[in-house]
Amino acid sequence: QVHLVQSGAEVKKPGASVKVSCKASGYTFTDYYIHWVRQAPGQGLEWMGWINPNSGGTNSAQQFYGRVTMTRDSSISTVYMELYRLISEDTAVYFCARGVVPGASAEGMDVWGQGTTVTVS
Amino acid sequence: HSVLRQPPSVSGAPGQRVTISCTGGSSNIGAGYDVHWYQQLPGTVPKLLIFDNNNRPSGVPDRFSGSKSGTSASLAITGLQADDEADYYCQSYDSSLSAVVFGGGTKVTAL
Repeated sequence: QVHLVQSGAEVKKPGASVKVSCKASGYTFTDYYIHWVRQAPGQGLEWMGWINPNSGGTNSAQQFYGRVTMTRDSSISTVYMELYRLISEDTAVYFCARGVVPGASAEGMDVWGQGTTVTVS
Repeated sequence: HSVLRQPPSVSGAPGQRVTISCTGGSSNIGAGYDVHWYQQLPGTVPKLLIFDNNNRPSGVPDRFSGSKSGTSASLAITGLQADDEADYYCQSYDSSLSAVVFGGGTKVTAL
């Protein structure tokens, strides 16, 4: 069965960085893009970016340029999202999600991690 | 302000049909990019409901259907049930932004 399991909740001070992990299982890790999506309290879904686990290539939303890094470790089927220079507005639940079509970035997301709560205070 | 626009809320009596619109533009839905829909029940992770405009993943009831025309898409729920009360989001790709984009979400209420 396909699963994405994320790291645990984090509490950070403003100006700090946070690194969230997302471990994949049940499928060929390098076949599917992984997206990062966040949801602030009471708000909607906001796409942050994607990583191609095969090549390591990434693309992020414009509002996160220079503030987010997405990486992967194929040896342990894990992707990481690191967000820098945190502000209170970064308080949110952060999700990783798998692209539904192998090798495609602009598609839907069929498997989601459980979410990681990041609190900036 | 979301690139894809959805009504904040829709409601209907149990058993009725409700629709949720998702309005985009010439650089996203109108450019031919597919639309996907998610259901997020209170306190849970988003779930893929419709992919590629009108396809249901296995396990999604056929009460849920999607359509797309021009620069807009719609999600229809027939035979509305209390269990359908949730937030629904549309998603596509925008070539001007080179980014995946979500609608602002629609809260569905069964009266």
